Amino acid sequence: DTGVSQDPRHKITKRGQNVTFRCDPISEHNRLYWYRQTLGQGPEFLTYFQNEAQLEKSRLLSDRFSAERPKGSFSTLEIQRTEQGDSAMYLCASSLGSGGPRETQYFGPGTRLLVL
Amino acid sequence: GNSVTQMEGPVTLSEEAFLTINCTYTATGYPSLFWYVQYPGEGLQLLLKATKADDKGSNKGFEATYRKETTSFHLEKGSVQVSDSAVYFCALSGLVSWGKLQFGAGTQVVVTP
Repeated sequence: DTGVSQDPRHKITKRGQNVTFRCDPISEHNRLYWYRQTLGQGPEFLTYFQNEAQLEKSRLLSDRFSAERPKGSFSTLEIQRTEQGDSAMYLCASSLGSGGPRETQYFGPGTRLLVL
Repeated sequence: GNSVTQMEGPVTLSEEAFLTINCTYTATGYPSLFWYVQYPGEGLQLLLKATKADDKGSNKGFEATYRKETTSFHLEKGSVQVSDSAVYFCALSGLVSWGKLQFGAGTQVVVTP
């Protein structure tokens, strides 16, 4: 069990460019979550998958954001036409289960995005 | 909707001092409650959790008790170390969507030698 991994750890881009982040969950975890964390704040939920199905998206996830989990394993989060307000830490988490009070999420190290 | 309120930081303590971080919540029914810790430059690590009223979560000397009557989940440690310097987040998940964590704003703790 190697934990949740994310790539890249840091990304600097210019406004208007597209960026893509990858998350590899803990092996056998069927649920995968994306959160966004801005400086001095707690993480905010963006979206989650159960296997390959995207079950919920936050209103924070504008049309410029898209997430996929094509084979129910790794996931990608793409931001198109980045804006300076997208600068944040993007966190991925995974869990095993079908939803319930005992479900526990394990987080990756995050991808820090800076949009210039 | 669900919400979590934490005491503001930074909290500055000397080594071996007693630490308390207050956390209160608003939720429908009986949510699950969590404390996560974030060390500088790293992601979140689960510190402890409790899934029903009066449960006590504990790990690495930290404890928190799920108090339904006061809707609280305060984090405590009897003797902090410099290595406990980090940001601590209280979080809940509940009936509306199990697994979708709702976090507080975080409390920075600084422990000095």
